[in-house]
Amino acid sequence: SAVISQKPSRDICQRGTSLTIQCQVDSQVTMMFWYRQQPGQSLTLIATANQGSEATYESGFVIDKFPISRPNLTFSTLTVSNMSPEDSSIYLCSVADGNTEAFFGQGTRLTVV
Amino acid sequence: GESVGLHLPTLSVQEGDNSIINCAYSNSASDYFIWYKQESGKGPQFIIDIRSNMDKRQGQRVTVLLNKTVKHLSLQIAATQPGDSAVYFCAETYSGNTPLVFGKGTRLSVIA
Repeated sequence: SAVISQKPSRDICQRGTSLTIQCQVDSQVTMMFWYRQQPGQSLTLIATANQGSEATYESGFVIDKFPISRPNLTFSTLTVSNMSPEDSSIYLCSVADGNTEAFFGQGTRLTVV
Repeated sequence: GESVGLHLPTLSVQEGDNSIINCAYSNSASDYFIWYKQESGKGPQFIIDIRSNMDKRQGQRVTVLLNKTVKHLSLQIAATQPGDSAVYFCAETYSGNTPLVFGKGTRLSVIA
């Protein structure tokens, strides 16, 4: 199984600022995904982080708000830009290698004040 | 888009009893299903998976049943323990290279 490290684990941010979340995997993986989990709710996919190309965003999520980088097969970042209180959520990085279960990081708990 | 849902949002069981958590999925093309357990403050943890060419799979104290006819998935936990208290999510995908679609989640509370 892959070991995923997410940083920071939590943060409290002022509205209007941006936060970059890092996801580091201990092995090379094909697929990396970013999810959002709003309080008391399930996980919603934000985007698929593609190595060497632009991320693929789901409906309702745009690159200007959630820019994503994936410079190699073990690392990705998600930025939450121009934050508002509605962005307060847990943000989760997930990895998969196709035909196997997906593994998750511990998540980043973001509070916007 | 299509989504995965759950019948029961909360479930309380006595310690030692068996738990059954249900999930309905809508994408008939899905061929891979996973159950995750999420404890407070943690990311989802893999419990068990099943592929569409199977209808039952067993793990340690857990069993997943898949009924493709009615697009229903269930997770059975035998001899439920306090440590099983968590939120459980079902998730589906297809082709192995697409992201997971998650159900709403069921909170399992074990009464000692």
